[in-house]
Amino acid sequence: NAGVMQNPRHLVRRRGQEARLRCSPVKGHSHVYWYRQLPEEGLKFMVYLQKENIIDESGMPKERFSAEFPKEGPSILRIQQVVRGDSAAYFCASSSLTGATNEKLFFGSGTQLSVL
Amino acid sequence: AQSVTQLGSHVSVSEGALVLLRCNYSSSVPPYLFWYVQYPNQGLQLLLKYTTGATLVKGINGFEAEFKKSETSFHLTKPSAHMSDAAEYFCAVSQRGSTLGRLYFGRGTQLTVWP
Repeated sequence: NAGVMQNPRHLVRRRGQEARLRCSPVKGHSHVYWYRQLPEEGLKFMVYLQKENIIDESGMPKERFSAEFPKEGPSILRIQQVVRGDSAAYFCASSSLTGATNEKLFFGSGTQLSVL
Repeated sequence: AQSVTQLGSHVSVSEGALVLLRCNYSSSVPPYLFWYVQYPNQGLQLLLKYTTGATLVKGINGFEAEFKKSETSFHLTKPSAHMSDAAEYFCAVSQRGSTLGRLYFGRGTQLTVWP
């Protein structure tokens, strides 16, 4: 039973390029969350998606960042025109329920983005 | 707004010694509380969580945490450290009534265990 799969594991981009990070949730999970971890800091919430819907994007930078979770296929976090400050570890998490006290969140191993 | 403070970014203990990792939160309403562990190059794993009921929560790998409302704290303890406990530990909270996946994390505490 595969957990949350993120790819690529490492991604190197030059300034101005686009970065696309993929997340396949646990089979059957319809809720996906993206978090960003900057060096020496904890994880910061970016966006919460359900299939084909963005539920909460309050943590997303207003420009250059977008996320989707289509009906078929993985969730994608897209960063356009990357800058050095985007270098971070990006984690995806998934769950099957929301608001329930027995809900459990499963995290992927992350994508380490390095911007040269 | 929610905030989480972890006192001590680095904690070192000897194998067999008590582990104490501190976490305080700031919230007008007691939130749900979590401890996660992150091993190198891996995602986060849930150690334990408090949502309701008994304030002393037992988790995996011998860890436990106690919710103290009066102190707005949720410190993590383990009576006897093992070498395999060396990792980064994150305290997190989520707001009651919202999705449990919307977490606010502390900055983390790196635990080193000496032989």
